[in-house]
Amino acid sequence: DIQMTQSPPVLSASVGDRVTLSCKASQNINKNLDWYQQKHGEAPKLLIYYTNNLQTGIPSRFSGSGSGTDYTLTISSLQPEDVATYYCYQYNSGLTFGSGTKLEIK
Amino acid sequence: QVQLQQSGAELAKPGTSVKLSCKASGYTFTSYYIYWVKQRPGQGLEWIGYIYPGNGGTYYSEKFKGKATFTADTSSSTAYMLLGSLTPEDSAYYFCARPEYRYNPTLAYWGQGTLVTVSS
Repeated sequence: DIQMTQSPPVLSASVGDRVTLSCKASQNINKNLDWYQQKHGEAPKLLIYYTNNLQTGIPSRFSGSGSGTDYTLTISSLQPEDVATYYCYQYNSGLTFGSGTKLEIK
Repeated sequence: QVQLQQSGAELAKPGTSVKLSCKASGYTFTSYYIYWVKQRPGQGLEWIGYIYPGNGGTYYSEKFKGKATFTADTSSSTAYMLLGSLTPEDSAYYFCARPEYRYNPTLAYWGQGTLVTVSS
């Protein structure tokens, strides 16, 4: 099974900061990776699909990049409403979610 | 618009079973997979498996084989997940989700989740 490791587990940043979340796969996943945002008490929400494609309705401050085993979600200017846990999800071989990064406002 | 409406919270005793539902609307139910995802309180997301209502075909994560059973009722556009032999470790939120595209696992639509509590 492919393992997905997200870092850091918790990230505290200030409003307006550029924030980078990391997701590392245990083997090459060929860009078959999505990012989901889950706010407290809500269902996950698709942000980015196939590494770098912004889902309809998602603000352009969110972006994704990566290849091979290393992937990144970037928020260009952190907003208060971005407080959430973010999960990566690979579907190259089986389906695996990462362990999540909890994003907080400093 | 695509909507997935899940059934209400369940309180069950160890050793029993619960059957969760996920009612779909706003699209052709038989044309898209329905995925199921587990989340223990305060923990991460865990993929359980999926069903294709068009032909009833199912696939389970190795961890959930024997624990979860998926069915679908095309007449009511409802997917079901039966969880059997419940233990406290089955206490969790369970989400159903639908991909954006028919044969792609990107989960664009989610139900609101059902909380299952297993306690004697």
